[in-house]
Amino acid sequence: KAGVTQTPRYLIKTRGQQVTLSCSPISGHRSVSWYQQTPGQGLQFLFEYFSETQRNKGNFPGRFSGRQFSNSRSEMNVSTLELGDSALYLCASSAGQGSEYSGYTFGSGTRLTVV
Amino acid sequence: DAKTTQPTSMDCAEGRAANLPCNHSTISGNEYVYWYRQIHSQGPQYIIHGLKNNETNEMASLIITEDRKSSTLILPHATLRDTAVYYCIVRHPRGGGSNYKLTFGKGTLLTVNP
Repeated sequence: KAGVTQTPRYLIKTRGQQVTLSCSPISGHRSVSWYQQTPGQGLQFLFEYFSETQRNKGNFPGRFSGRQFSNSRSEMNVSTLELGDSALYLCASSAGQGSEYSGYTFGSGTRLTVV
Repeated sequence: DAKTTQPTSMDCAEGRAANLPCNHSTISGNEYVYWYRQIHSQGPQYIIHGLKNNETNEMASLIITEDRKSSTLILPHATLRDTAVYYCIVRHPRGGGSNYKLTFGKGTLLTVNP
């Protein structure tokens, strides 16, 4: 079955602009999580959505937001971009039902560069 | 989630077994041990998980000590394509909002040499 699809793969934006990233989870998965990866901070959790509801949120400023649609696809938005927002943004898909497995399947990410 | 400690880096010869250790001395009784790896510029990939018994799948084996304070991921015949950062994560798969995430540490960079 198809994996997790993230679009776009690469993005260059200017400071002060806003950006929207998209994630399509594995068919049937209802949970989508977002992570930011930078060389300095590593992989950090942004937020998680299940059935259009945010269930958990990481320690990021309010400029970072997300949403999930009824078909489980998710978007994350970063407003007023800063240079430090340059990172690989990863989306992870899960069944989200709290099973023992609770495995997460990651997409290949969106590489955002802020100039 | 319990904190984990892993070596920063390890080397392994191609074709040999790679044994990656992880300490999780504060693990609680209902927390599982998960292993993921991340090949350069790709998303993390699930490898294996376990609670207290040793586990094996087509990718690797997981050995958890009897007191559950440490574990070892074993790649039985490492190949060049196994070069990656390996993350050991301890978490409870069920429960409330704070459990709906993975907390990644720095991981271990495994380099498989020809």
